[in-house]
Amino acid sequence: GIQVEQSPPDLILQEGANSTLRCNFSDSVNNLQWFHQNPWGQLINLFYIPSGTKQNGRLSATTVATERYSLLYISSSQTTDSGVYFCAVVGNTGNQFYFGTGTSLTVIP
Amino acid sequence: EAQVTQNPRYLITVTGKKLTVTCSQNMNHEYMSWYRQDPGLGLRQIYYSMNVEVTDKGDVPEGYKVSRKEKRNFPLILESPSPNQTSLYFCASSFLWGHLYGYTFGSGTRLTVV
Repeated sequence: GIQVEQSPPDLILQEGANSTLRCNFSDSVNNLQWFHQNPWGQLINLFYIPSGTKQNGRLSATTVATERYSLLYISSSQTTDSGVYFCAVVGNTGNQFYFGTGTSLTVIP
Repeated sequence: EAQVTQNPRYLITVTGKKLTVTCSQNMNHEYMSWYRQDPGLGLRQIYYSMNVEVTDKGDVPEGYKVSRKEKRNFPLILESPSPNQTSLYFCASSFLWGHLYGYTFGSGTRLTVV
């Protein structure tokens, strides 16, 4: 299967700070999605981004498929951004979805 | 409202007592999947289904069964639960197999096996 590594594993930010989360994957992919798991456990779609750059408010994401990584940017962080951020990929030849182990983000007031 | 509904949300059971966790989606999605989430291990796929009557094993299928008799439902069956199956379980669905776009998760089922 595809190995998906996320960094950093843990991140603590002061409210208002910016951060960059990284997702590296070990093989070619044609699907990539970023998710946020809030402190109540709910998993929410953030970006479907197999390539290129997208922005949604304070969040943006960039995937460079040829170099096998994706970045999630959080600007002006808020306490509601706390939780775990996962990236997930699908390989070019498979039906399985592979998740990284996540980045746990804590934003303190 | 488009959603994936899992039941129950919480379940405590004893070793060996068969149980079923239900999953239903109202989006006419083809692809459905089950995951378990354990601390430090992220989300691991148990089984997935590409359509009715088409299921396949994920990374951690041992001790679990699934069925897909209708498009909307994808129950997870533990025939003889053991304590190492204590975990947080998620069902998810997407419009098309092999496609993460619009991937929607249920609210999760926290299972404890004693």
